[in-house]
Amino acid sequence: ETGVTQTPRHLVMGMTNKKSLKCEQHLGHNAMYWYKQSAKKPLELMFVYNFKEQTENNSVPSRFSPECPNSSHLFLHLHTLQPEDSALYLCASSQAVAGGVYEQYFGPGTRLTVT
Amino acid sequence: TQLLEQSPQFLSIQEGENLTVYCNSSSVFSSLQWYRQEPGEGPVLLVTVVTGGEVKKLKRLTFQFGDARKDSSLHITAAQPGDTGLYLCAGRPPSNFGNEKLTFGTGTRLTIIP
Repeated sequence: ETGVTQTPRHLVMGMTNKKSLKCEQHLGHNAMYWYKQSAKKPLELMFVYNFKEQTENNSVPSRFSPECPNSSHLFLHLHTLQPEDSALYLCASSQAVAGGVYEQYFGPGTRLTVT
Repeated sequence: TQLLEQSPQFLSIQEGENLTVYCNSSSVFSSLQWYRQEPGEGPVLLVTVVTGGEVKKLKRLTFQFGDARKDSSLHITAAQPGDTGLYLCAGRPPSNFGNEKLTFGTGTRLTIIP
């Protein structure tokens, strides 16, 4: 596998279900991100992890719970979601370098539908 | 809050034509990136511009960063159907080392008609 991979690619879940999204990066990066992409809205940053430590929680509801066990893996745990949470969830990674340019590399996304 | 407005929001042109899309803000960015996203996929990085006034070329695509580093443009020459996609610009604020965040633009959805 190369780049950033995400599983599953598609997920349909009921409002009472619990599910998890998985992201893995094979680029040796030290930062990982979760974004939400809804129709007609800009990409919304949800969470940022630098060196496995969460450095950003962009006012995300607690029904979304991130987990970063190491610098290569990132999870998004979902529970009691609402229909308006249906969206494309994108994972990205980057390498933080002092004075450098941070380029983010994205996975293919998980298309989530909440019924 | 830094905002990036992209224009036009939608653009549909014939194959072979030229086009320009814009990314504008009232805020300064230390660098700006352009991505292309195809349906059902994640955004793919096309280019990063860093210096005010910088111009970068990627085959038929020309990217320019404004002198004041508040805006950018993407010009495509002789558009082809493979250029179809959602074009996103993303700016990095001047001072957030160690906690890198990008502000994404609203996107331009481009369709090239064969």
